[in-house]
Amino acid sequence: QSALTQPASVSGSPGQSITISCIGISSDVGGYNYVSWYQQHPGKAPRLLIYDVSNWPSGVSNRFSGSKSANTASLTISGLRAEDEALYYCSSYTDSSSVVFGGGTKLTVL
Amino acid sequence: QVQLVESGGDLVKPGGSLRLSCVASGFTFSDYYMSWIRQAPGKGLEWVSYISSSGSTTVYADSVKGRFTISRDNAKSELYLQMSSLRVEDTAVYYCAKFLNFAHDYWGQGTLVTVSS
Repeated sequence: QSALTQPASVSGSPGQSITISCIGISSDVGGYNYVSWYQQHPGKAPRLLIYDVSNWPSGVSNRFSGSKSANTASLTISGLRAEDEALYYCSSYTDSSSVVFGGGTKLTVL
Repeated sequence: QVQLVESGGDLVKPGGSLRLSCVASGFTFSDYYMSWIRQAPGKGLEWVSYISSSGSTTVYADSVKGRFTISRDNAKSELYLQMSSLRVEDTAVYYCAKFLNFAHDYWGQGTLVTVSS
């Protein structure tokens, strides 16, 4: 159950787009379309942004989009806003019926 | 609206035990899988365990297998995590979350467990 690999940090200016990668293996990200993404502001609980690779829960802006290719999932945030500055985590179901999270990526809006 | 409220976090000595609770409201609790996820201070998220809607299926992370037990009471809309043989590295905020399509769509505010002598 090794953690999925995410970059420690990314940054972008307001209005720009950024992409956060999430690298797994064939027994997790590559094997299932059960990748989800979460946003966490300091001192708050995580919030679901994307589920099943690319689906939005009710109330989540379509500025957030997800995709997957082979063992790598990606979260793209378009039209960056100051309030997007937060930690972002990916997660996947695995073939041992467990769940694994990525290490987290800190997004800085310049 | 969906609400999840955890309780039971405390300071406990290594080797000790603790039971966390999570009270759910705003949805039909008995229809959904539920999960526990933890976050050590300044660290990332770590999935701990999930339980099926009926309670018949439970899955654990290797790091807690044999020491933690997840359970639920559907009549009370409550989720539990019994933790034993606690270690310093179990220190974390523990979140309960509603589990849908292998994603965690609603989270509680968390309860802090500190394991220290």
